[in-house]
Amino acid sequence: DGGITQSPKYLFRKEGQNVTLSCEQNLNHDAMYWYRQDPGQGLRLIYYSQIVNDFQKGDIAEGYSVSREKKESFPLTVTSAQKNPTAFYLCASSIGAGTSYEQYFGPGTRLTVT
Amino acid sequence: AQKVTQAQTEISVVEKEDVTLDCVYETRDTTYYLFWYKQPPSGELVFLIRRNSFDEQNEISGRYSWNFQKSTSSFNFTITASQVVDSAVYFCALRSSGGSNYKLTFGKGTLLTVNP
Repeated sequence: DGGITQSPKYLFRKEGQNVTLSCEQNLNHDAMYWYRQDPGQGLRLIYYSQIVNDFQKGDIAEGYSVSREKKESFPLTVTSAQKNPTAFYLCASSIGAGTSYEQYFGPGTRLTVT
Repeated sequence: AQKVTQAQTEISVVEKEDVTLDCVYETRDTTYYLFWYKQPPSGELVFLIRRNSFDEQNEISGRYSWNFQKSTSSFNFTITASQVVDSAVYFCALRSSGGSNYKLTFGKGTLLTVNP
């Protein structure tokens, strides 16, 4: 089955710790994205990557970092510099980064930092 | 700047009723794409439809239909004969060709509850 996997589904961390969220896709998509969703809010773009070894900041990149060493993988690190890290994180991919391509989403990771 | 407004925060209907979810968008670009996504309680966003700015034909897919009107910058979504399984948060999103064309701008979503 082709799709996007995110692990784990629930993640708990103590304040001050960095944490890495996994995102893997086997759709052979070039572009990948990370979004953050807060209660009652739409999705906000954190980072995106159009091709391997390339990525750009989205609207709320502060306190986050990413890497794109393989086409299939786009992990997101939530650093201790992120002031409000508790949120639902969604990874997405699309065939390309062009305007017309729809994005397909993974099941998400719910991060709680206390 | 791009903006998507879903004025209805929550809607509650009884099964078999028809329901329309509103979406109003703003963009200065002439080429853009509109999307609808469904987010069931499990959390994963499910892609429903994509519509480009040059195609104003309405679309029907089973019980789902979409009405795109450029004159009012609206892209409304109607579910006919709603079912309990339709209960979810629905997001409208916009992506335009100018400027930061990587960006998918989402509305805040409409929570639809279909009661048996």
